[in-house]
Amino acid sequence: AQKITQTQPGMFVQEKEAVTLDCTYDTSDPSYGLFWYKQPSSGEMIFLIYQGSYDQQNATEGRYSLNFQKARKSANLVISASQLGDSAMYFCAMRGATGNQFYFGTGTSLTVIP
Amino acid sequence: DAGVIQSPRHEVTEMGQEVTLRCKPISGHNSLFWYRQTMMRGLELLIYFNNNVPIDDSGMPEDRFSAKMPNASFSTLKIQPSEPRDSAVYFCASSLRGLNYGYTFGSGTRLTVV
Repeated sequence: AQKITQTQPGMFVQEKEAVTLDCTYDTSDPSYGLFWYKQPSSGEMIFLIYQGSYDQQNATEGRYSLNFQKARKSANLVISASQLGDSAMYFCAMRGATGNQFYFGTGTSLTVIP
Repeated sequence: DAGVIQSPRHEVTEMGQEVTLRCKPISGHNSLFWYRQTMMRGLELLIYFNNNVPIDDSGMPEDRFSAKMPNASFSTLKIQPSEPRDSAVYFCASSLRGLNYGYTFGSGTRLTVV
């Protein structure tokens, strides 16, 4: 069975500080992809970052990086230098070897405090 | 690229009426997904298509819901008859098939059934 767990329903961070959003996953697939999406209050779902299970290096996209620890089955999102516009809901997701559906976590609501 | 296009953006309808949501995926994407998002249940996969063929509709809540994909550039989600508990944001997403491809989401349709 595939499962994504996000244990932090809400997080607060001071502007310009870094924040880590936790994500753990469970899968029996030998290869898989891990994704993070951002959903601001306007409602759209925005792709942030991707990590393949066989990638040797952690993925980075601008201020976003993915702390991938395969043995622990964790794929935490790190946002550096938080900005007010980072306030949003963040979803972790996984796509398995069949390449079909995504499995989403329940999301973490991030609030950036000025 | 115009992205995934959903219409309408907002729909308010009376209980018992038929509602049709529309989606145009990104050209070349061979997988299409319909999700429903509510505060209580989060993101729920309703149905997905590969190459216009429905693969898994186990998330469709009941027979009142139906989805079609007559061609690679168009899909519909129909609710007949609608009920107040169907009120939610409905997302369409498309992607290439494969574990390293993310979804591109449409802007969603906010459905309110009164």
